[in-house]
Amino acid sequence: GENVEQHPSTLSVQEGDSAVIKCTYSDSASNYFPWYKQELGKRPQLIIDIRSNVGEKKDQRIAVTLNKTAKHFSLHITETQPEDSAVYFCAATGAGNMLTFGGGTRLMVKP
Amino acid sequence: DVKVTQSSRYLVKRTGEKVFLECVQDMDHENMFWYRQDPGLGLRLIYFSYDVKMKEKGDIPEGYSVSREKKERFSLILESASTNQTSMYLCASSSQLWGKDASSYEQYFGPGTRLTVT
Repeated sequence: GENVEQHPSTLSVQEGDSAVIKCTYSDSASNYFPWYKQELGKRPQLIIDIRSNVGEKKDQRIAVTLNKTAKHFSLHITETQPEDSAVYFCAATGAGNMLTFGGGTRLMVKP
Repeated sequence: DVKVTQSSRYLVKRTGEKVFLECVQDMDHENMFWYRQDPGLGLRLIYFSYDVKMKEKGDIPEGYSVSREKKERFSLILESASTNQTSMYLCASSSQLWGKDASSYEQYFGPGTRLTVT
């Protein structure tokens, strides 16, 4: 089945700096790659996603890039703010279009 | 706004007890999911359902069963709770699994149930 690896597990940045979280996947048939953000004590929420026919997608300060050849995709957050502090999960579709999630990255933005 | 609710935020049960976790969604979604969330392991799929009375095993179904008698309600059952089932349980729903409109793939999560088995 699909296997998704996510790095780093924790990331600390200064407010205003950029943050990058990387994920690799194993199933070359995967075609949908969402990112979820989970603030402390809250439920995960979708923040951005990308399909396999697109190499990059942006939404204000966040962007996702996909390299299908290398089977990896990344989340980029620019001009980080304290409210970006959360756990971020990447995911990829596997068999039956079920999502397989990465292990999560705890992002801490220091004011 | 999609609303997914779970019956309890916190639950403490004893080893061997039968445990029911309930999830209700109000958006007429076809698909519902049960995940388990553990630190460093992300969200792991236990079971999902794509229609009433239909269910499929996820990655970690052992020790769990599910029931979907109505479209809006999806229950997770621990037949005989064990300490290694202490975890956060998250329910989710989505409109579609396949199709051209990727925006309908989004999974909407409930607030979670933190289950402790002693």
